[in-house]
Amino acid sequence: GAGVSQSPSNKVTEKGKDVELRCDPISGHTALYWYRQSLGQGLEFLIYFQGNSAPDKSGLPSDRFSAERTGGSVSTLTIQRTQQEDSAVYLCASSWGQGTDTQYFGPGTRLTVL
Amino acid sequence: AQSVTQLGSHVSVSEGALVLLRCNYSSSVPPYLFWYVQYPNQGLQLLLKYTSAATLVKGINGFEAEFKKSETSFHLTKPSAHMSDAAEYFCAVSDGLSGNTGKLIFGQGTTLQVKP
Repeated sequence: GAGVSQSPSNKVTEKGKDVELRCDPISGHTALYWYRQSLGQGLEFLIYFQGNSAPDKSGLPSDRFSAERTGGSVSTLTIQRTQQEDSAVYLCASSWGQGTDTQYFGPGTRLTVL
Repeated sequence: AQSVTQLGSHVSVSEGALVLLRCNYSSSVPPYLFWYVQYPNQGLQLLLKYTSAATLVKGINGFEAEFKKSETSFHLTKPSAHMSDAAEYFCAVSDGLSGNTGKLIFGQGTTLQVKP
């Protein structure tokens, strides 16, 4: 079956612009996670969704970052007024539930802020 | 707070040799531990996970890891390296208490090079 998909695969933007990154989880997966992978910081947790609610937003680095999930499926990560330090690969993962359930990762969106 | 330390950012082995990738964790609650592999330009793939059952965990592609609470370690091994094992490997920990969110805390990663 289909895995986790993310779009776009690459995004180049100018400093100060807003960007939206999309994640399509595996059908039926109720849990959805966003992570960021950068050279300086490694792999960092950003936000966790259970259904449409986000009980854990502790990893969002600033109020320029926000995310939503609709219909218990697709999620969008929005970065406003992008900065060069936002350049990274943004990874999405989904799982059946939470806890020990295996997280299946998408291929990521590579964001470059010029 | 939880954290993971992977000793050695780069490990190089010869094809057919033992692979040993080191991971130590810190956790104030019972941990769940994971190893993921990332091939170039791809997402992460789960190799294996420890969730408080058997301490020796077998995963895909011939990899295994042993949970040692006394040493706070979860090292990844494979008896004989294959060229296709060349990739980046990440150790991760999550909160093992009931109701945890499952968010993963990752180590910095170890790049495995396999020489012919």
